[in-house]
Amino acid sequence: AQSVAQPEDQVNVAEGNPLTVKCTYSVSGNPYLFWYVQYPNRGLQFLLKYITGDNLVKGSYGFEAEFNKSQTSFHLKKPSALVSDSALYFCAVRDSNGGFKTIFGAGTRLFVKA
Amino acid sequence: DVKVTQSSRYLVKRTGEKVFLECVQDMDHENMFWYRQDPGLGLRLIYFSYDVKMKEKGDIPEGYSVSREKKERFSLILESASTNQTSMYLCASSPSQGAGGANVLTFGAGSRLTVL
Repeated sequence: AQSVAQPEDQVNVAEGNPLTVKCTYSVSGNPYLFWYVQYPNRGLQFLLKYITGDNLVKGSYGFEAEFNKSQTSFHLKKPSALVSDSALYFCAVRDSNGGFKTIFGAGTRLFVKA
Repeated sequence: DVKVTQSSRYLVKRTGEKVFLECVQDMDHENMFWYRQDPGLGLRLIYFSYDVKMKEKGDIPEGYSVSREKKERFSLILESASTNQTSMYLCASSPSQGAGGANVLTFGAGSRLTVL
């Protein structure tokens, strides 16, 4: 069965500092991995995805994520955080073996302090 | 601008009432999904549909049913609402698997349901 773990409920970082939001996954086949963001009172928005190829994936708003197959991780990163990055971040996985289901983690709330 | 539109942003219902949550997408997507979002639990898949009149159970289908009579519309039905169904409900859509693999979900703004 597919699963996603986001081990941190909350991440606090000062503006201008690098940020990391952690994600580990479990699938039977090869994974498709996603990050979505939810700003207050808004729906979820797609940030980036990993399908295959380069382990470092670049996405919207300066975010990137690194796929690590041996550690089954897909951590979200940004070199310099902005206050406007404060939001709820969800990691998600889908099994590439034809599955329709996208499974989400519990979410990590990011607070960026000015 | 492509959209997934959920008909109600906020609903308040009483225990035992029948509740309809409507979702319409204008992207001609084959796949549609209903999730519920609860703090600390993330998004949990209730039902999904990969074609008109087709439906599949997700991880938490109990107490829910769905209807997809037209490609653009996917309805979630609570036959007899209960307080533990108080939640944020999110509808999403995506193109078919054949459109290229890891298809991104496009979400609606959500429907916050309170059952008293």
